[in-house]
Amino acid sequence: EAGVAQSPRYKIIEKRQSVAFWCNPISGHATLYWYQQILGQGPKLLIQFQNNGVVDDSQLPKDRFSAERLKGVDSTLKIQPAKLEDSAVYLCASSLDRTGGTGKLFFGSGTQLSVL
Amino acid sequence: QKEVEQDPGPLSVPEGAIVSLNCTYSNSAFQYFMWYRQYSRKGPELLMYTYSSGNKEDGRFTAQVDKSSKYISLFIRDSQPSDSATYLCAMSGYGNAGNMLTFGGGTRLMVKP
Repeated sequence: EAGVAQSPRYKIIEKRQSVAFWCNPISGHATLYWYQQILGQGPKLLIQFQNNGVVDDSQLPKDRFSAERLKGVDSTLKIQPAKLEDSAVYLCASSLDRTGGTGKLFFGSGTQLSVL
Repeated sequence: QKEVEQDPGPLSVPEGAIVSLNCTYSNSAFQYFMWYRQYSRKGPELLMYTYSSGNKEDGRFTAQVDKSSKYISLFIRDSQPSDSATYLCAMSGYGNAGNMLTFGGGTRLMVKP
């Protein structure tokens, strides 16, 4: 079974530039998550999709972050404009669980973003 | 106060030692308790999964949940250098906790040969 695919693996940008991350979840997984993991901290949920609808985006900084999941499969996360504090690893995860509450998530390897 | 507290470590032990990792939490609505293992430059992978209170054993790993004390533990027996990683506790539930998975900050474990 193929895992969660993410690209790019690394990205270095200057502040105020824009950046986009891509995620392809495990086939058949209805729920997709984007997490932000700052160095030395646990992952923090940014947004949760069930199919192509948003379930939770309460912690997404909507003035600069946006995400979409077209056709209920692939997803993109965009930051525009980036700030220094956005430097982190952005993790995509998917879950077969349609309610999203049981916590059995499969994570990709993440995109490490450095904002200079 | 954070919802989930976890000692960041690092915790350094010799190969073969018994390792104890712990988390405390404040939200009594949490029902599902998990331990994720994260190797350097990799995403977290689910290691142990427990619903409500009690113990669960899987090979060298034992997860314990004490909901009355709001305290969960992961024990690793006969630790190996390959166990060197960051261990993240995570929990979720219904009601006030919603469906959102809340992670601890992680404990970095180093097992020395």
